[in-house]
Amino acid sequence: KAGVTQTPRYLIKTRGQQVTLSCSPISGHRSVSWYQQTPGQGLQFLFEYFSETQRNKGNFPGRFSGRQFSNSRSEMNVSTLELGDSALYLCASSLAAGGHNEQFFGPGTRLTVL
Amino acid sequence: AQSVTQLGSHVSVSEGALVLLRCNYSSSVPPYLFWYVQYPNQGLQLLLKYTSAATLVKGINGFEAEFKKSETSFHLTKPSAHMSDAAEYFCAVSERASGLTFGKGTHLIIQP
Repeated sequence: KAGVTQTPRYLIKTRGQQVTLSCSPISGHRSVSWYQQTPGQGLQFLFEYFSETQRNKGNFPGRFSGRQFSNSRSEMNVSTLELGDSALYLCASSLAAGGHNEQFFGPGTRLTVL
Repeated sequence: AQSVTQLGSHVSVSEGALVLLRCNYSSSVPPYLFWYVQYPNQGLQLLLKYTSAATLVKGINGFEAEFKKSETSFHLTKPSAHMSDAAEYFCAVSERASGLTFGKGTHLIIQP
């Protein structure tokens, strides 16, 4: 069974631009969560989607948004990019909603904002 | 609110020695606890998970962790370190309806 895939793997943007990252979960998984990883703040939970609905949200500004499609694939969008948005963005999928379920992580998308 | 503290951002052990990575948590409800490992340029891989079924949890690659409610700890151990264990290790806590809250991570260095 294929693992979680994320595209693109690397991305370079400039301040003020917007970006969309994509995540395809493991087949049969209906929950997708997103995390931001930076050297300073570590791993932080962004949001979780299940059955096309946002179920949980972390403490991030409204510039960070996401959505989930009927096939469980998910996208996250960051608008008006700031230098501090440079990070590794990790997507994780699980069978059901809730952080107590085992989550399988993708390799991440490394975003650099110049 | 839930939180995780990992003592020691870097831990160095000799190959064949005991590995002990410390994790303390804070949670207002019975927590779900996890240990993940991250190798360079990769995502996270689940090592083991505590869900209240047993206080001693065995995971992959010879790792295990013991849940101690009185100490609010969930330390990760491995009897004998191998060079391939060198990686970043993250402890995480979840309250059922929330996402994972991670510790800052511990970089494990294995000395030959």
